[in-house]
Amino acid sequence: AQSVTQPDIHITVSEGASLELRCNYSYGATPYLFWYVQSPGQGLQLLLKYFSGDTLVQGIKGFEAEFKRSQSSFNLRKPSVHWSDAAEYFCAVGPPNYGGSQGNLIFGKGTKLSVKP
Amino acid sequence: DTEVTQTPKHLVMGMTNKKSLKCEQHMGHRAMYWYKQKAKKPPELMFVYSYEKLSINESVPSRFSPECPNSSLLNLHLHALQPEDSALYLCASSRLRSNQPQHFGDGTRLSIL
Repeated sequence: AQSVTQPDIHITVSEGASLELRCNYSYGATPYLFWYVQSPGQGLQLLLKYFSGDTLVQGIKGFEAEFKRSQSSFNLRKPSVHWSDAAEYFCAVGPPNYGGSQGNLIFGKGTKLSVKP
Repeated sequence: DTEVTQTPKHLVMGMTNKKSLKCEQHMGHRAMYWYKQKAKKPPELMFVYSYEKLSINESVPSRFSPECPNSSLLNLHLHALQPEDSALYLCASSRLRSNQPQHFGDGTRLSIL
């Protein structure tokens, strides 16, 4: 069955510390991979995406993610966290090579990030 | 600022009311989506429109009725809702290619009394 696992429900880091949020997926083929962030009371904002090519992708707000096919993982990283990064982070996968809409995005359950001053 | 605009931002309605949620995008996207999101949960897909035609209905109760009057607008008509329908309703849009990400609005926070 297709699924996305974000093992950490809640992570707290100190401002200025590095961050890694984990995402593992189960899929028949390499899917398209996304990280979204959701601040309280707002919608989801795309941080970055992976389709093919370089396995290290850069996103907005200083985030990056690394795709590891052997581990079926797509972990999100940031070298130095800012207080404004406190939010909910969702990993999502979409099936590759279909010509229609992306209705069947599969979301992980999310990781809530808290930042200590 | 988001490129997908949803109105209203907040809505409180009784179980017998009829109301509509609206979503608008001007990015030329031909796929539009409605999601429901409960607190501390990921979004759950409700409906997908492709070229203004309903392409996916995820077994949503008939008290939710979507409408896509043109390529820029998406409505969700609400009637006889239940308290458990209280949630954040998100609209999204995307290009009709598999590698194109979805762009989300800020949502409508719906409370059913």
